[in-house]
Amino acid sequence: DAGVTQSPTHLIKTRGQQVTLRCSPKSGHDTVSWYQQALGQGPQFIFQYYEEEERQRGNFPDRFSGHQFPNYSSELNVNALLLGDSALYLCASSSTGVGSPLHFGNGTRLTVT
Amino acid sequence: GENVEQHPSTLSVQEGDSAVIKCTYSDSASNYFPWYKQELGKGPQLIIDIRSNVGEKKDQRIAVTLNKTAKHFSLHITETQPEDSAVYFCAADDRGSTLGRLYFGRGTQLTVWP
Repeated sequence: DAGVTQSPTHLIKTRGQQVTLRCSPKSGHDTVSWYQQALGQGPQFIFQYYEEEERQRGNFPDRFSGHQFPNYSSELNVNALLLGDSALYLCASSSTGVGSPLHFGNGTRLTVT
Repeated sequence: GENVEQHPSTLSVQEGDSAVIKCTYSDSASNYFPWYKQELGKGPQLIIDIRSNVGEKKDQRIAVTLNKTAKHFSLHITETQPEDSAVYFCAADDRGSTLGRLYFGRGTQLTVWP
């Protein structure tokens, strides 16, 4: 049973560029959340997708956008990259309903130079 | 929003000793408190969680306690082993919602010396 898978594992981009990160949820899960984890910090919630719609959003600018596909996989897009966007981006999946814990992937390490 | 504080930031123990990590939260509406273990180069892995209708939960060498009145919860690891070395994060949910938004502490780097 595959867990949450993310691609790519590492990425280097230049300031001002755009990036797309991908996530496949754990089998049986239909909800995908994205988190940003800066070095030495805890993960911070970016947004969550369910039924192909953004259901909730954290305190991140509109440069951060996402998408969920009919097979529940998801993409995170970041436009106009800043140096401060360098971080580990984590995807977490869960199933709807009370009590479903979040399962995280191993993340994509984004470096902006 | 919720604010989660975690202490200590680093913790070193001898193999076989116990380790305790403490967290406080600010929103009394939060009712789900998971703990995650993150090893180098990996994503956070859920190790135990507790809901507000329970004061304590145990799973082998790991236990979590919750004091809703004081708004704090703790992770207890007994008989520590070198493979317990990792960063541990506590978290609290968003006002008891089922939407999967968690607020995390800043983490505790646990080192277990053989």
